[in-house]
Amino acid sequence: EAGVTQSPTHLIKTRGQQVTLRCSPISGHTSVYWYQQALGLGLQFLLWYDEGEERNRGNFPPRFSGRQFPNYSSELNVNALELEDSALYLCASSFGQGAFYEQYFGPGTRLTVT
Amino acid sequence: AQKVTQAQTEISVVEKEDVTLDCVYETRDTTYYLFWYKQPPSGELVFLIRRNSFDEQNEISGRYSWNFQKSTSSFNFTITASQVVDSAVYFCALSEAGGAGSYQLTFGKGTKLSVIP
Repeated sequence: EAGVTQSPTHLIKTRGQQVTLRCSPISGHTSVYWYQQALGLGLQFLLWYDEGEERNRGNFPPRFSGRQFPNYSSELNVNALELEDSALYLCASSFGQGAFYEQYFGPGTRLTVT
Repeated sequence: AQKVTQAQTEISVVEKEDVTLDCVYETRDTTYYLFWYKQPPSGELVFLIRRNSFDEQNEISGRYSWNFQKSTSSFNFTITASQVVDSAVYFCALSEAGGAGSYQLTFGKGTKLSVIP
């Protein structure tokens, strides 16, 4: 069974540009979570989608947004990129809604903003 | 607010030594879940274990074992007879089951383990 997949693997953007990251969950998983792993800041929760709706967001500005499609895949959009957005963006999926379900992570997208 | 503390930033051990990674958590929920993940140099987080707040039994899986103590709010991870392949960053995480129904993981800062041959 395929795991969580993310694309692209690496991305280099210029400050002020916009970027879209993509995530495909494990088949049968309906919840998708996005996390940011920036140097020195650890892993921070960004967004949570379940059944096509945004269920919760972390302490990030509105220029971080996303959506979940009917097939449960998800996009993370970041507008007006800033240098501090440089990070590894990890997507995770879980079978259902609830703390009980472990989250399985993809390989991440490494974003560099210059 | 929930919080996870991994006080050990980096640990180095010689192969075959035992090593314990510490994790201390804070939560106001009575129902919560604790997790350990491994992040090898490739970057992908690998799920290792989940433990709920009502199950304080220790768990052993091969060379890995976990000690959960609610009295000290700790969920420590021990690797017995460490191997070079164990070199990675290990994260402890917490998810609360109650409240507003937000189930995201709160991670500790991670402990970088280096196993020297």
